[in-house]
Amino acid sequence: QLQLQESGPGLVKASETLSLTCSVTGASIWSSSYFWGWIRQSPGKGLEWIGSFHYSGNSYNNPSLNNRVTIAVDTAKNHFSLELTSVTAADTAVYFCATQTPAAIFRAFQFWGPGTMVTVSS
Amino acid sequence: SYVLTQPPSVSVAPGETATITCGGNKVGDKSVHWYQQKPGQAPVVVTYDDSDRPSGIPGRFSGSNSENTATLTISRVEAGDEAHYYCHVWDDSGHHVVFGGGTKLTVL
Repeated sequence: QLQLQESGPGLVKASETLSLTCSVTGASIWSSSYFWGWIRQSPGKGLEWIGSFHYSGNSYNNPSLNNRVTIAVDTAKNHFSLELTSVTAADTAVYFCATQTPAAIFRAFQFWGPGTMVTVSS
Repeated sequence: SYVLTQPPSVSVAPGETATITCGGNKVGDKSVHWYQQKPGQAPVVVTYDDSDRPSGIPGRFSGSNSENTATLTISRVEAGDEAHYYCHVWDDSGHHVVFGGGTKLTVL
């Protein structure tokens, strides 16, 4: 069974970089069958897509995040990461990693991690 | 950018049918997915590609999509269906994933 698990600091200072990791079990990030992505949810608010990628190099990011997003794959481990630069209080949210399968950017997010709360402090 | 509009809230009595809409310009031309999210949990897909249902999701959940409105229908609503529901599409022109604002379903 495919499982995802987010990890990273729960507290980040304003203006610094938020860094999270998504560990995947039950599937290979290098499989052609999946798109992998990050979604966040501010407290009491709705879902906001951050970005998605395929191992082939095909990737998409939310333009509203003004190029602050980097999603990368760890070549040695079966996980991928999120970096969000120049954070502000508006970036305080629960961050989810998820996967779209079959592999296409218009597919549903079929599997999700439980999410990790990140608070930006001043 | 592409916008999906959902009613903020829908209320229904147990055993009745809940209808949650997701409006968008020519959304009928896109594949729409619906998620259920309960407090403190990750979203779970309840229908995908307009009307398909993942294994494990009861047949009471069904989806449809036409012209400018996609609809999630929950028949014979149960107390356990109380949750937030979100629709989701891929915006071809803007190259980004779009979620609706979410609908809170209250079971009276």
